[in-house]
Amino acid sequence: EAQVTQNPRYLITVTGKKLTVTCSQNMNHEYMSWYRQDPGLGLRQIYYSMNVEVTDKGDVPEGYKVSRKEKRNFPLILESPSPNQTSLYFCASSANSAGGQETQYFGPGTRLLVL
Amino acid sequence: QKEVEQDPGPLSVPEGAIVSLNCTYSNSAFQYFMWYRQYSRKGPELLMYTYSSGNKEDGRFTAQVDKSSKYISLFIRDSQPSDSATYLCAMSILGGGADGLTFGKGTHLIIQP
Repeated sequence: EAQVTQNPRYLITVTGKKLTVTCSQNMNHEYMSWYRQDPGLGLRQIYYSMNVEVTDKGDVPEGYKVSRKEKRNFPLILESPSPNQTSLYFCASSANSAGGQETQYFGPGTRLLVL
Repeated sequence: QKEVEQDPGPLSVPEGAIVSLNCTYSNSAFQYFMWYRQYSRKGPELLMYTYSSGNKEDGRFTAQVDKSSKYISLFIRDSQPSDSATYLCAMSILGGGADGLTFGKGTHLIIQP
């Protein structure tokens, strides 16, 4: 089954304690992205990656890091989480879009609470 | 600038009604337009995908794009209670959302049985 998986699905942590949210896709997609979703603000892009070792900032990258060492994985790293990073996080992936017909598939989400 | 405006609702309509959902945007570079449906506590799932201006129909759903007006719409015919969800418009400059998708804030739709 084609899917995007995220772990953990729920996480409660404390300010300053480094954490990583993993994202993996089994569709051999080139493109992967991270979004956060907040009430009243909608979905906002944090980082995206167009291929292995190629990453770029989205609209709200501050406080986050990513890496793309393998095609299937795109972890989101919070080096020193703060309460304003409490949010619902989604990972997404899409295929090479030469034909422009592909779009992004979303994972199930990770709900993060930073105390 | 990548602003997308979408009325957050909630929009409440009786079962069987035709629903019209809309988004406006400011960046004329957007070429790819999508509608996602998101149920509570779930990830967004793709409903419709269109390139440039025009109409696209899929079952009870019709997507319209008017690039000259920077306006996109999603119509739902014969609405069902199971259509109750948040509908997100999204758009990108590059295909596949290679530059990332820019989303509207979503419209919360309620279909009353």
